Amino acid sequence: DTEVTQTPKHLVMGMTNKKSLKCEQHMGHRAMYWYKQKAKKPPELMFVYSYEKLSINESVPSRFSPECPNSSLLNLHLHALQPEDSALYLCASSQGVFLDGNQPQHFGDGTRLSIL
Amino acid sequence: AQSVTQLDSQVPVFEEAPVELRCNYSSSVSVYLFWYVQYPNQGLQLLLKYLSGSTLVKGINGFEAEFNKSQTSFHLRKPSVHISDTAEYFCAVGSARQLTFGSGTQLTVLP
Repeated sequence: DTEVTQTPKHLVMGMTNKKSLKCEQHMGHRAMYWYKQKAKKPPELMFVYSYEKLSINESVPSRFSPECPNSSLLNLHLHALQPEDSALYLCASSQGVFLDGNQPQHFGDGTRLSIL
Repeated sequence: AQSVTQLDSQVPVFEEAPVELRCNYSSSVSVYLFWYVQYPNQGLQLLLKYLSGSTLVKGINGFEAEFNKSQTSFHLRKPSVHISDTAEYFCAVGSARQLTFGSGTQLTVLP
C-alpha cells in the first residue's frame, strides 16, 4: 500500500474538458511534487511545492495549473489539454522542506490520463 | 549539472539467477543516489538509497547496491531473482533542486 494516494486512477477527457487530479499524503511531508511519465520513460518533474508554496515550475504549459490547499493535499487542474498530454501523472512527497538532494521521495500510484 | 546513465535498457534473466543492473552518474557536487522500482500500473517505490557512510547499501526485497566514487557507479545487484522482480528499475541522483532519473532498465525474469 502506498502512503501517497492519488485519485482518480484513470481519467479520460476531451480536449475542451476541465478536470482535476488529486493527491493526498499524511506523512507530515512538507514538499510535494507533480511528475509526468510517458510510457517506457522516466518521470519528468513538473512542479514542486514547499511549505504549500510553489517553488519550482519546470516551464509547464498553463493548461496545467497546480494548487496546494494545505500541507496534505496537492491538486493539478487540467484545462484544454492536447493529445500529447496523455500520460501517467505521478504525485510524490518528501520530508525535506525543499528539494534536498538527500530526501527520498515517496510516490503515489499515479493517474493514467487519456486525452481524446 | 548532473546526469545518470543506465547502460542496459532491457535485462532478461532466468529465475533464481543473479542480476546486476548498471548505473553511472556524473555530478559536480556531493551526490545522493537512489534506486526505484516501478511495477506495472504502479508508481515508483524506493528500493534503497546512498546518502553517506558505508558504500554497500542494502535495500528491500533482497536488493543491494555499491557506491563506487572512483568509477562514479551505483550498480544494483540481487543474488537470486524471482518472477515477481519483473519491473522497471530507475537509478536517480539527487542534489539541491532536482532529482535526476536515468532512462530505466526493464528487468524481465524468465521461468
